Amino acid sequence: DAMVIQNPRYQVTQFGKPVTLSCSQTLNHNVMYWYQQKSSQAPKLLFHYYDKDFNNEADTPDNFQSRRPNTSFCFLDIRSPGLGDAAMYLCATSSEDRDNQPQHFGDGTRLSIL
Amino acid sequence: QKEVEQDPGPLSVPEGAIVSLNCTYSNSAFQYFMWYRQYSRKGPELLMYTYSSGNKEDGRFTAQVDKSSKYISLFIRDSQPSDSATYLCAMRVEAGSYQLTFGKGTKLSVIP
Repeated sequence: DAMVIQNPRYQVTQFGKPVTLSCSQTLNHNVMYWYQQKSSQAPKLLFHYYDKDFNNEADTPDNFQSRRPNTSFCFLDIRSPGLGDAAMYLCATSSEDRDNQPQHFGDGTRLSIL
Repeated sequence: QKEVEQDPGPLSVPEGAIVSLNCTYSNSAFQYFMWYRQYSRKGPELLMYTYSSGNKEDGRFTAQVDKSSKYISLFIRDSQPSDSATYLCAMRVEAGSYQLTFGKGTKLSVIP
């Protein structure tokens, strides 16, 4: 039973062409995260939503934006993808209404840039 | 010095062996510790979650935390080929802090 679902699993886009990745969750968690993971590297947090409050990491490029229209869905928009943005993008969720809950990840979207 | 150090491997063991995976950290404020398993082309899957020094066991997996030495371990007993994956340690400072600090991951291969 998939609880954090990411679509599509694989995405190919052209250099500079905007792309949107989506994430949905059935856990009713109030916090959602987007990570970037490059080959053989640890996931890097881009931003997170606590309910509707958006929190950007200081070193996340302006090229990356996010939307969370409701509790279940969150989107990652890359406005003008560059070759360096090719990576796995991971969505995660956690419940921060109950302390000490870990993050649960989706299976990711692998983004390729032509 | 990185906040979390994890040997990237690769680590190859025969089926049935006991596997020991380790991370060291420098920030004494870390309070919560996790181990994730990541198969190729998949997202990280939570294996163990603990916040106190000592051992926590779940089936063939045991997580060990030594806060005085800033050292955590994951032991896998009776390793199986299906355990072949990358294992990531992760930690956070306190409840309400959303930032996870990950190790780089150790790639494990269990040979039949």
